[in-house]
Amino acid sequence: DVKVTQSSRYLVKRTGEKVFLECVQDMDHENMFWYRQDPGLGLRLIYFSYDVKMKEKGDIPEGYSVSREKKERFSLILESASTNQTSMYLCASSSPSGIFNEQYFGPGTRLTVT
Amino acid sequence: RKEVEQDPGPFNVPEGATVAFNCTYSNSASQSFFWYRQDCRKEPKLLMSVYSSGNEDGRFTAQLNRASQYISLLIRDSKLSDSATYLCVVISSGGYNKLIFGAGTRLAVHP
Repeated sequence: DVKVTQSSRYLVKRTGEKVFLECVQDMDHENMFWYRQDPGLGLRLIYFSYDVKMKEKGDIPEGYSVSREKKERFSLILESASTNQTSMYLCASSSPSGIFNEQYFGPGTRLTVT
Repeated sequence: RKEVEQDPGPFNVPEGATVAFNCTYSNSASQSFFWYRQDCRKEPKLLMSVYSSGNEDGRFTAQLNRASQYISLLIRDSKLSDSATYLCVVISSGGYNKLIFGAGTRLAVHP
């Protein structure tokens, strides 16, 4: 059974803080993704990675960076958190050879920036 | 205009009802189409893929109309456990098979 875990379910940070969100998957998937989900907007892709040390910008990368030093781990970094980054953050992984390109999601981290 | 658009609902239906959701997409070069289901405060999970010929999985039927660029999901004999948000998902024509998500349609099935 595929498992994607995220380091925190809930997080409260102050404006200007550096924030790290960690994601780990145990299925040896090549692809990993970070999304944010906001009411009425759906899931929007922030960054994705198709291999270790590789990263690609998604649709809304501004204010974020990522790190993928190991295949199973993909980190999202908010260099200087702002209130408009308050959101639900979802990590996902997939295999390029997987059926339907199915993405497996972690449980999400609800981040509040005050 | 959003790349994938859905009626947000909510659709409030009694148990046993048949309910249909539609979704439209703007990129005619889109390759593949899916429905994901997201329960309240949970992560999205793949429900089913959508084929041009239409496909059925138990009480669920998905259809694709490429000419009109819309996708539908039909749920027959609704159960309380079907209450969730249904996300329409399209794979863009760009590289890396990025998924483009609609904002979701909320379904509430009541006794």
